[in-house]
Amino acid sequence: QSVLTQPPSASGTPGQRVTISCSGSSSNIGSNTVNWYQQLPGAAPKLLIYNTNQRPSGVPDRFSGSKSGTSASLAISGLQSEDEADYYCAAWDDSLIGVVFGGGTKLTVL
Amino acid sequence: QVQLVQSGAEVKKPGASVKVSCKASGYSFTNFGISWVRQAPGQGLEWMGWLSAYNGHTNYAQKLQGRVIVTTDTSTSTAYMELRSLRSDDTAVYYCARKGGKYGSQTFDIWGQGTMVTVSS
Repeated sequence: QSVLTQPPSASGTPGQRVTISCSGSSSNIGSNTVNWYQQLPGAAPKLLIYNTNQRPSGVPDRFSGSKSGTSASLAISGLQSEDEADYYCAAWDDSLIGVVFGGGTKLTVL
Repeated sequence: QVQLVQSGAEVKKPGASVKVSCKASGYSFTNFGISWVRQAPGQGLEWMGWLSAYNGHTNYAQKLQGRVIVTTDTSTSTAYMELRSLRSDDTAVYYCARKGGKYGSQTFDIWGQGTMVTVSS
């Protein structure tokens, strides 16, 4: 069971906007920044969002992140077929003194 | 280009140890840390621990304390992860990832290709 809670699945049609939630606690999301990773089928994870709402170079601005209290969200606008992947949130946890991940959300583009 | 290349798949018996390597290239190895993350079949990501290639400081997940050791050889820009007393639930793909780049100290911006470790009698 993961420390951060994500919905196991999400879906949308091309061009649609979808959001993925990530729920934590005061010791992780509530007091630290959130990172998001994208894992395409059969590939290693890739950094998608860092510092809660920043995009690494090369990541399209269709991807955005936000946080409120002990929850974070990843939004994908203008959904494309190549966005079909697993998405993981991650944050430092002050109590566990380590990085914690969400269980992952499998995004399906219908 | 900046990359991390990991060693090949391993099959081990319960109770044995495994050591996975991760060779860095394309950047100054000692300016960053190396983290290890594993993923059991069909499951999510699990952080295992990390090491500063600069000073050798380590931090391990509480769940794995005492069974995992992360080391580096700065002369070859290679990091190693050794996991001892293997159990069947250690069967997973093990990833190394660069830690502490320009995107922040808690981010993993470059990942290795993964190493499959199978624990089976």
